[in-house]
Amino acid sequence: KNEVEQSPQNLTAQEGEFITINCSYSVGISALHWLQQHPGGGIVSLFMLSSGKKKHGRLIATINIQEKHSSLHITASHPRDSAVYICAVRSWGAQKLVFGQGTRLTINP
Amino acid sequence: NAGVMQNPRHLVRRRGQEARLRCSPMKGHSHVYWYRQLPEEGLKFMVYLQKENIIDESGMPKERFSAEFPKEGPSILRIQQVVRGDSAAYFCASSPVITEELSYEQYFGPGTRLTVT
Repeated sequence: KNEVEQSPQNLTAQEGEFITINCSYSVGISALHWLQQHPGGGIVSLFMLSSGKKKHGRLIATINIQEKHSSLHITASHPRDSAVYICAVRSWGAQKLVFGQGTRLTINP
Repeated sequence: NAGVMQNPRHLVRRRGQEARLRCSPMKGHSHVYWYRQLPEEGLKFMVYLQKENIIDESGMPKERFSAEFPKEGPSILRIQQVVRGDSAAYFCASSPVITEELSYEQYFGPGTRLTVT
């Protein structure tokens, strides 16, 4: 079992829909990151969380430390949101990131 | 403030040749991480370096791979005698000075896509 599991692996939705991507992890962490990777491959950091909730524009990230679970939400989704979304965690005492397999999101117009 | 820079962006090597991938961290960042993304797979940690020191190389293959981050100049990931299985995207990330208690953002470079023919 991977340390970081994401669901779903693939998600297709219509423009305007509310999107939720889930991430579960099995180790104690000091931080969780949500990353976005567009076709062509560049990686952008969206959020870094250690507790609670963060919001940036139409993106919201939440984390429940007790349940070892995080969600990334996209409101009013748009075709330009189509990308792979990656959850990554930093374990206590380590600096490296451990990544989930990614969720491929496609938003159709 | 320029972001993390990697070069080359694309690199083609024949089997048996050497590949050198370069990473210049963001200004003021002294910590560099290398990650590899194999085709259709997720990102995997390779090595974590500070200036002149390898801190964690637990993700590096035991042979043919090495990394350095000299006092001056970029970090280098070196792959000797490349094989087809080394074909992947190699990403570098950097962060500022860190402590055990605090986590900092890692800022990713655009990646180097290595193709071994």
